[in-house]
Amino acid sequence: AQSVTQPDIHITVSEGASLELRCNYSYGATPYLFWYVQSPGQGLQLLLKYFSGDTLVQGIKGFEAEFKRSQSSFNLRKPSVHWSDAAEYFCAVGQINAGNMLTFGGGTRLMVKP
Amino acid sequence: SQTIHQWPATLVQPVGSPLSLECTVEGTSNPNLYWYRQAAGRGLQLLFYSVGIGQISSEVPQNLSASRPQDRQFILSSKKLLLSDSGFYLCASRRQGAISGELFFGEGSRLTVL
Repeated sequence: AQSVTQPDIHITVSEGASLELRCNYSYGATPYLFWYVQSPGQGLQLLLKYFSGDTLVQGIKGFEAEFKRSQSSFNLRKPSVHWSDAAEYFCAVGQINAGNMLTFGGGTRLMVKP
Repeated sequence: SQTIHQWPATLVQPVGSPLSLECTVEGTSNPNLYWYRQAAGRGLQLLFYSVGIGQISSEVPQNLSASRPQDRQFILSSKKLLLSDSGFYLCASRRQGAISGELFFGEGSRLTVL
């Protein structure tokens, strides 16, 4: 069975600092990987996704993520964090089956210090 | 892109009362539909998914049920709510057959069971 692990439950960074959120997955085939962001009390918005090709993918809001098959990782990065980036971030892996559902990690809550 | 509407946005119900959360989708036909629950401080748990009208698959045994009476309508129900049913419920939609496709989320329904 597939699974997604986000090792960091909470992360605090200073505004302007760089950010890396970790994501490790377990999946038997080539994964389809996603990062979503959730502001408090809201639904989830897609930041970026990987399903083939270049292993470094660019997303919205200045985020990028790198797929590393050898490490089973898909870490999310941003070179300079803004206060508005404070939110919860979810990594997900897509499952190829009848339902084509996504399995989500437990999430990482990002706090940004002024 | 797709738009997901959920209502009610907020609901406070006593233990033992019934529940009906509704989700409708715009911008696509014959989507895969999903109900996720997000308990406080936890990740997203897939509850139900549907690949077509009247077709419901349950991912976890529980006090809840789902129905899909129309192509773009997905309903989450309970006959008798439990305290443990409290949480943030998210409806999501994905284009049929889109393995690498984006999952679109509604704004969520927050349920508090007292």
